[in-house]
Amino acid sequence: AQSVTQLGSHVSVSEGALVLLRCNYSSSVPPYLFWYVQYPNQGLQLLLKYTSAATLVKGINGFEAEFKKSETSFHLTKPSAHMSDAAEYFCAVSTYNQGGKLIFGQGTELSVKP
Amino acid sequence: EAGVVQSPRYKIIEKKQPVAFWCNPISGHNTLYWYRQNLGQGPELLIRYENEEAVDDSQLPKDRFSAERLKGVDSTLKIQPAELGDSAVYLCASSAPGTSTDTQYFGPGTRLTVL
Repeated sequence: AQSVTQLGSHVSVSEGALVLLRCNYSSSVPPYLFWYVQYPNQGLQLLLKYTSAATLVKGINGFEAEFKKSETSFHLTKPSAHMSDAAEYFCAVSTYNQGGKLIFGQGTELSVKP
Repeated sequence: EAGVVQSPRYKIIEKKQPVAFWCNPISGHNTLYWYRQNLGQGPELLIRYENEEAVDDSQLPKDRFSAERLKGVDSTLKIQPAELGDSAVYLCASSAPGTSTDTQYFGPGTRLTVL
């Protein structure tokens, strides 16, 4: 079975500071990994995904994530936070034999201070 | 291109009452998902459709929940009777064709409050 753990339910950064949101996964087979963002009263939007190609994945809005098999991690980063980045972020895992079923972490709420 | 459409956006009912949610996926998307998102949690899959067929309903509480996707396009999720613990956001998503690496596109959800 697969699972995802997001370390830190709340992260607060200053505008212009580095954003680092942590995600660790567990999977008995090679995983596919996703980061989604959810703004208030909206659905989830895909930021980026790892599907076994390049381990460093670039997404929308300047975000990127690196797949590290040895650490079972897929942390999300952005060099400089904007106020508009304030939202809930979800890491999710799937595998080839799950037919598209996503297992989500509990989410990390990102606050950006001016 | 229109995104995933869900209605209603908000619903407040008393326990033991029935409730239904409607979803219209992105045109051409064969795969449709219903997720439930409890407060402070990530979404959890309830049911997945490939066209008209429910291919994964293992997480659907079948004693009170039912779903249908007639003609393989829009879908309805029903709860009867609702319980206090059913208060959550119900999200619909779609993808094409629905493999493990495909992007799922989510609707805005229906926020259900059971009193």
